[in-house]
Amino acid sequence: QKEVEQDPGPLSVPEGAIVSLNCTYSNSAFQYFMWYRQYSRKGPELLMYTYSSGNKEDGRFTAQVDKSSKYISLFIRDSQPSDSATYLCAMSGSNFGNEKLTFGTGTRLTIIP
Amino acid sequence: DAGVTQSPTHLIKTRGQQVTLRCSPKSGHDTVSWYQQALGQGPQFIFQYYEEEERQRGNFPDRFSGHQFPNYSSELNVNALLLGDSALYLCASSQDRAYEQYFGPGTRLTVT
Repeated sequence: QKEVEQDPGPLSVPEGAIVSLNCTYSNSAFQYFMWYRQYSRKGPELLMYTYSSGNKEDGRFTAQVDKSSKYISLFIRDSQPSDSATYLCAMSGSNFGNEKLTFGTGTRLTIIP
Repeated sequence: DAGVTQSPTHLIKTRGQQVTLRCSPKSGHDTVSWYQQALGQGPQFIFQYYEEEERQRGNFPDRFSGHQFPNYSSELNVNALLLGDSALYLCASSQDRAYEQYFGPGTRLTVT
């Protein structure tokens, strides 16, 4: 069983819709939760991070963490064609700068104009 | 301010050969991590370098080795290449905070 599970999609939604992306994990030691966006043939770009449980909002993006269920989500409001990319969740066990990131497989998202 | 840079962009090698990939971290960063991303998969952690030493290693064989230089740049070496080593190799740099790992564009390695 993988430590981090993520539905690979692909997911296609019309422009303007709300997008929900999710990951589940099995390692209780994870405390930091990140979402990365990766365009085709590019490196991942950090979108948001959250520590422990709770919500965090940044513009059209909202990240949620439920540690009791070992479940994290990323919501994208008013989705735009430029949001079309692969979204990767990532997790680490500490904030000391020497912890590896454990990634999900990524969800490929397409926003249809 | 230049971000993380990697070279070369693309590389084609034959089974059994050796390859060296290079990474320059973002200005001010002292920690470099390497990841392997196979097609359709998430990045997998290879190892991390800090103060010119390997600080942490993922589940990769000894064919994968690395080095960090005094200017914090880093190299990833892979010996005895296998077809399964074909992937996008990503370098990420950071300082202090694990979540602030900035990735480079990657080097796409094809082994034939």
